[in-house]
Amino acid sequence: AQSVTQLDSQVPVFEEAPVELRCNYSSSVSVYLFWYVQYPNQGLQLLLKYLSGSTLVKGINGFEAEFNKSQTSFHLRKPSVHISDTAEYFCAVTLGGGYQKVTFGTGTKLQVIP
Amino acid sequence: DVKVTQSSRYLVKRTGEKVFLECVQDMDHENMFWYRQDPGLGLRLIYFSYDVKMKEKGDIPEGYSVSREKKERFSLILESASTNQTSMYLCAIGEDTQYFGPGTRLTVL
Repeated sequence: AQSVTQLDSQVPVFEEAPVELRCNYSSSVSVYLFWYVQYPNQGLQLLLKYLSGSTLVKGINGFEAEFNKSQTSFHLRKPSVHISDTAEYFCAVTLGGGYQKVTFGTGTKLQVIP
Repeated sequence: DVKVTQSSRYLVKRTGEKVFLECVQDMDHENMFWYRQDPGLGLRLIYFSYDVKMKEKGDIPEGYSVSREKKERFSLILESASTNQTSMYLCAIGEDTQYFGPGTRLTVL
């Protein structure tokens, strides 16, 4: 079974500073990896995903993530954050194939400080 | 755009009541999911369905049941609500990529 770990429950960062949100996964087979964002009082929406191919994945709102198979990581980065990026971010993993469950991390709350 | 709607944004029920949470999609998708979200625990899968009248237990099915009589509708049922079922409930559809509804915040008093 797959699992995903988000070690940082909260990350405060000043506006216009860079940010990295960490995600590590565990699986004995190939996986698909995702980052979702949840704004206050809303459901989750897809930020970006890695299925195969280039290990650097670009998503919406200027975010990107890099798949590192040797370190089993899929960290999310943004070079300059904005107040509107304040939200909770979830990393997720699945084995793919249609009927596989998606496993979510416990989430990281990004607080952008003006 | 994918549209997943949930019947209520906020719900307050009393212990022992039977509670129905409904999810409706407009994408004609086979797979539908119910999660609960709690602080510090992330999203945990309760039940999922990959076809009409089909259902599979997720990681925390105890105290819940589901119904899928039509492809577009997936209902989560709390047979006898308890205070430890106070939570945010999220419905989702999709295969690898999941599309979420806005959530229902349920409070059981």
